[in-house]
Amino acid sequence: TQLLEQSPQFLSIQEGENLTVYCNSSSVFSSLQWYRQEPGEGPVLLVTVVTGGEVKKLKRLTFQFGDARKDSSLHITAAQTGDTGLYLCAVDTGRRALTFGSGTRLQVQP
Amino acid sequence: GAVVSQHPSWVICKSGTSVKIECRSLDFQATTMFWYRQFPKQSLMLMATSNEGSKATYEQGVEKDKFLINHASLTLSTLTVTSAHPEDSSFYICSARLAGAIDTQYFGPGTRLTVL
Repeated sequence: TQLLEQSPQFLSIQEGENLTVYCNSSSVFSSLQWYRQEPGEGPVLLVTVVTGGEVKKLKRLTFQFGDARKDSSLHITAAQTGDTGLYLCAVDTGRRALTFGSGTRLQVQP
Repeated sequence: GAVVSQHPSWVICKSGTSVKIECRSLDFQATTMFWYRQFPKQSLMLMATSNEGSKATYEQGVEKDKFLINHASLTLSTLTVTSAHPEDSSFYICSARLAGAIDTQYFGPGTRLTVL
């Protein structure tokens, strides 16, 4: 079983629509990160959430860390074609390296 | 921001040959670098942790004699895939850790390895 389960695995929407991606676990984490990866490139850090219940906004992206620090969500408002990519949540399990979630592949159609 | 480079960006080799991939932190020093592997349509999986001046730590199931890691300086780690086979074809991504109040890893652009 995967430490971090992301849902949905794949999402295809029209430009302008809203969407939410989830990252769930049964474990508690001190912090959680969200990355976006485009084809043929390395992942790029979007945000780090640290406090239970924390909400962070990055333009049209809203990130929330669950109260119990076991899960997180990413909400995109009015998606654009430039939002297309693989969205990954990740945590440091105490060894400094990151464990990544299963990923959500988002495709935004014009 | 901190930049990590990888070279080459892609490589094609024949089965049985060895391939070396370089990972450099361009504007900061990294005592720790990480190597990940990503198969098509999958997430990143940690292969090993590379520590400057000491032996790498490999994840379970990763053959240390096949994936040789050298971290000779604070800005360079290399991964050598020895006697490569088609099943080693993958996207290899390194990251360098910038220590701070909250450690941050900066990822390289990846190296696409295709073994024929």
